[in-house]
Amino acid sequence: AQSVTQPDIHITVSEGASLELRCNYSYGATPYLFWYVQSPGQGLQLLLKYFSGDTLVQGIKGFEAEFKRSQSSFNLRKPSVHWSDAAEYFCAVGAPSGNTGKLIFGQGTTLQVKP
Amino acid sequence: GAGVSQSPRYKVAKRGQDVALRCDPISGHVSLFWYQQALGQGPEFLTYFQNEAQLDKSGLPSDRFFAERPEGSVSTLKIQRTQQEDSAVYLCASSVYQGGNQPQHFGDGTRLSIL
Repeated sequence: AQSVTQPDIHITVSEGASLELRCNYSYGATPYLFWYVQSPGQGLQLLLKYFSGDTLVQGIKGFEAEFKRSQSSFNLRKPSVHWSDAAEYFCAVGAPSGNTGKLIFGQGTTLQVKP
Repeated sequence: GAGVSQSPRYKVAKRGQDVALRCDPISGHVSLFWYQQALGQGPEFLTYFQNEAQLDKSGLPSDRFFAERPEGSVSTLKIQRTQQEDSAVYLCASSVYQGGNQPQHFGDGTRLSIL
């Protein structure tokens, strides 16, 4: 069965420090991979996505993620965190080809930014 | 253009009452999804529409949950005889086309509280 694991429930970083949020997936083939961000009381906003090709993908707000097939991972990174990045981050997978597009989400990682 | 709109934003109901949650997707979007997000969890898939056809309802937790999209645009998620475990945020998302590589645009959700 498809699943997504985000090992870190809560992460605190200082403003200006680098950030890495972990995501591991379980799927028979290479799925479509997404990172979404959710601010309190709001819906999910797409940060970036990976379908194929270059394994390092760039997203909005200065985020990037790297797909590593051998580790079944799709970790999210940012070189310098801003206070406005404090939010909930979700990794998600979608099955390729012939699928309706439904997403399977991880449990989420709450990011707190210290001034 | 307008994003995905959900109403009401908050709904409080007594156990046993029926509720109806509305989703207005982005105009012209073929695909529409409903997700349920329990407190502290990632969203979980409920059901999927392609235009007016409900092609996947595998995530609906019980026969008390019913969704429709009669004209291929607005969708309603109905929950009959609500129970406390139905308390959650219900998210609606739409995408231009069908397929796992289509980015989904999320509404801000309806927070349902069952007393």
